Amino acid sequence: EVQLVESGGGLVQPGGSLRLSCAASGFTFSSYAMSWVRQAPGKGLEWVSAISGSGGSTYYADSVKGRFTISRDNSKNTLYLQMNSLRAEDTAVYYCAKDLDVLAAAGTHFDYWGQGTLVTVSS
Amino acid sequence: AIRMTQSPSSFSASTGDRVTITCRASQGISSYLAWYQQKPGKAPKLLIYAASTLQSGVPSRFSGSGSGTDFTLTISCLQSEDFATYYCQQYYSYLLTFGGGTKVEIK
Repeated sequence: EVQLVESGGGLVQPGGSLRLSCAASGFTFSSYAMSWVRQAPGKGLEWVSAISGSGGSTYYADSVKGRFTISRDNSKNTLYLQMNSLRAEDTAVYYCAKDLDVLAAAGTHFDYWGQGTLVTVSS
Repeated sequence: AIRMTQSPSSFSASTGDRVTITCRASQGISSYLAWYQQKPGKAPKLLIYAASTLQSGVPSRFSGSGSGTDFTLTISCLQSEDFATYYCQQYYSYLLTFGGGTKVEIK
């Protein structure tokens, strides 16, 4: 059974940093691109970042480029999102999501999602 | 970035109704489109990908169509468990984008 479990969310002040983790199980982690998708309270879905299965290719939404860094440790079956220079508008539930297509070079569409972790940026 | 526009943003319907949700891309995306269903407090669920391919386990009352810039999600006979918010998402570009969502409420 595929499972994705996010952790690391919490309350952080504007300008602060946070690292999210997503522990994956039930599939060959290194074969799949992974993404982070967020949802601000009461708002729609926003794709944040994606990483290829090998970790060699990464992609970012313009809204987070230069502030967030996606990475993965295939030996630990874990996906990460390092978030720096956080802003109030980064407040959201952050989901990690598994790509449907094996060996896709980048994020495409997502067949499994975690339960989400809430990040609140406020003073 | 490719902009995805859904319509309507919300509407009311009754159990048994046939409902259609529209998604328009700001440029051609071939058939690189997915549809998701999201219920309050839950993660999204993939319904359809490649514009018209039903994800495994999804009831056949859901169907998708379209290519290029215009797409539709149809629910042939609305069930109580289908009241939710639906999102389209393009993956033609590496910079993925979602539509704003369509909330289907009980009439």
